[in-house]
Amino acid sequence: KQEVTQIPAALSVPEGENLVLNCSFTDSAIYNLQWFRQDPGKGLTSLLLIQSSQREQTSGRLNASLDKSSGRSTLYIAASQPGDSATYLCAVTKGWDSGGSNYKLTFGKGTLLTVNP
Amino acid sequence: SAVISQKPSRDICQRGTSLTIQCQVDSQVTMMFWYRQQPGQSLTLIATANQGSEATYESGFVIDKFPISRPNLTFSTLTVSNMSPEDSSIYLCSVSDGYNEQFFGPGTRLTVL
Repeated sequence: KQEVTQIPAALSVPEGENLVLNCSFTDSAIYNLQWFRQDPGKGLTSLLLIQSSQREQTSGRLNASLDKSSGRSTLYIAASQPGDSATYLCAVTKGWDSGGSNYKLTFGKGTLLTVNP
Repeated sequence: SAVISQKPSRDICQRGTSLTIQCQVDSQVTMMFWYRQQPGQSLTLIATANQGSEATYESGFVIDKFPISRPNLTFSTLTVSNMSPEDSSIYLCSVSDGYNEQFFGPGTRLTVL
């Protein structure tokens, strides 16, 4: 059974700092990995999608890396801003050969990020 | 990316009643999913809503408790039946065009008294 772990559970940083959020998964047979942002009481906003054949993806101040063989991904946020404060969720989908619900996203519990002005 | 809306955005219900949540997408999509997020927890997949056939439920979720309809490629409903306080959660609809990015609706916050 796939398990996704995110470290740290919470992080508080001053504005302007660069930071890294970590995600690990137990089964390396994934199809892709997706990073989301969730604001309190709201739905999820997709930030970055990394296919299993890719090593990294970038969008603006965000950069996500994937090391499939070691079961790890990182989300790097450059020059953090108070508006980046949210919970960041990492999720993976099963590999195609696994059968069953191949599209199912298995989520970590998230990292609660607070960026202080 | 798809634009997804959900109704209602929130509701407070009495124990033993049922609530139907609607999910509308602005374009035709292959895959639609329903997730639950219990307080302080991450998201768990309830079922995959299949157009023209019965939904596919994950372990621990059953059709009698969470009946799902998907009459076309842009719309789905999830009913939470015979509710108890343990059903208090955020329910989220998501969509995908296959092995690609999944997009989520704004969620429905349900409180059961």
